[in-house]
Amino acid sequence: EAQVTQNPRYLITVTGKKLTVTCSQNMNHEYMSWYRQDPGLGLRQIYYSMNVEVTDKGDVPEGYKVSRKEKRNFPLILESPSPNQTSLYFCASRLGQGGYNEQFFGPGTRLTVL
Amino acid sequence: AQKVTQAQTEISVVEKEDVTLDCVYETRDTTYYLFWYKQPPSGELVFLIRRNSFDEQNEISGRYSWNFQKSTSSFNFTITASQVVDSAVYFCALSLAGTASKLTFGTGTRLQVTL
Repeated sequence: EAQVTQNPRYLITVTGKKLTVTCSQNMNHEYMSWYRQDPGLGLRQIYYSMNVEVTDKGDVPEGYKVSRKEKRNFPLILESPSPNQTSLYFCASRLGQGGYNEQFFGPGTRLTVL
Repeated sequence: AQKVTQAQTEISVVEKEDVTLDCVYETRDTTYYLFWYKQPPSGELVFLIRRNSFDEQNEISGRYSWNFQKSTSSFNFTITASQVVDSAVYFCALSLAGTASKLTFGTGTRLQVTL
């Protein structure tokens, strides 16, 4: 089954404790991205990657890091989480690099930073 | 920069009523793509439709229909004979044609359908 998976689905942590949210897709998609969803703000892009070893900032990259060492994986790293990073996070992937293509979203990771 | 506005924060209807969710977008590009996603209470994002800027034909899929009007920069979504299972947050989104283009989302409309 074609899908995007994320782990963990739920995470409660404390300020400053480094964490990684994993994302994996099995569709051989070149383009992957991370979004965060906050009430009243919709979804905003954090980082994206157009292929292996090619990443760039989205609209709200501060406090996040990413890497793309393999085509299927695109982990999101919070080196020193803060309460303002409490949010619902979605990983997405799409075929090719054009805006026409539908983005497939993972199930979401709900992160709480105390 | 592009922008998507969903002015309706929350809508409540009684089952079997028709409901229209509004979406207004802004972009200077002539080639762009519009999307609607549904987010049910379980939280996942479900793709509903994609429309490109050169295709203004309205689309109907079962009880769902979409009205794309470039003259008013709108891409409205109508649910006919709403059902309780339609209760969800609905997002309208815009993407440009570029290789690195992202989805720019509206703030979403929460639809509550009651019996």
